[in-house]
Amino acid sequence: GDSVIQMQGQVTLSENDFLFINCTYSTTGYPTLFWYVQYSGEGPQLLLQVTTANNKGSSRGFEATYDKGTTSFHLQKTSVQEIDSAVYYCAMRGGQGGRALIFGTGTTVSVSP
Amino acid sequence: EAGVTQSPRYAVLQEGQAVSFWCDPISGHDTLYWYQQPRDQGPQLLVYFRDEAVIDNSQLPSDRFSAVRPKGTNSTLKIQSAKQGDTATYLCASSSGGQDTQYFGPGTRLLVL
Repeated sequence: GDSVIQMQGQVTLSENDFLFINCTYSTTGYPTLFWYVQYSGEGPQLLLQVTTANNKGSSRGFEATYDKGTTSFHLQKTSVQEIDSAVYYCAMRGGQGGRALIFGTGTTVSVSP
Repeated sequence: EAGVTQSPRYAVLQEGQAVSFWCDPISGHDTLYWYQQPRDQGPQLLVYFRDEAVIDNSQLPSDRFSAVRPKGTNSTLKIQSAKQGDTATYLCASSSGGQDTQYFGPGTRLLVL
């Protein structure tokens, strides 16, 4: 069945460090892939999405790269700030046509000043 | 444009009690989703609607959970007899037509004692 895996549960950084979060997925067909960010006490917010038609996306200084060959979908940011501290979820709308999202387990990013 | 609203924001129950959660999606959004997010996990789909029709409720524990969207706008999710394992945040999201982006509400945090 469809699945999304985030192996990094926690990432601790200092301001201006480089952030890299890895995500792998499994599905048939052509998925749409998303990164959502969730701040404490709020619902997830879309950060960016990528389809198989374009293998990169960017928003708010974050960039996501989709590699169909390795079924991976990475999120990176060159220079993180304290306000980037949040939980980041990789999510997928599977290639079968269903509209529901399948989320990874999340990566908690803590950035110290 | 108002976002997705949910109420109540918090609920505390004893096992065996019933509870209802209410969701008002973004105006004009035809698709509405309910997700369950256990602590330190990603959201997991319970059920979703297009207009008033249930599209997928395969993950909804049908013996105790029910969801309705009678006029294709607001929705109610009900737990008939809560268990400690139902402790989680219940998130509502909505989307429009063929758009992939789902917009999430702030969630209802449920604690079952």
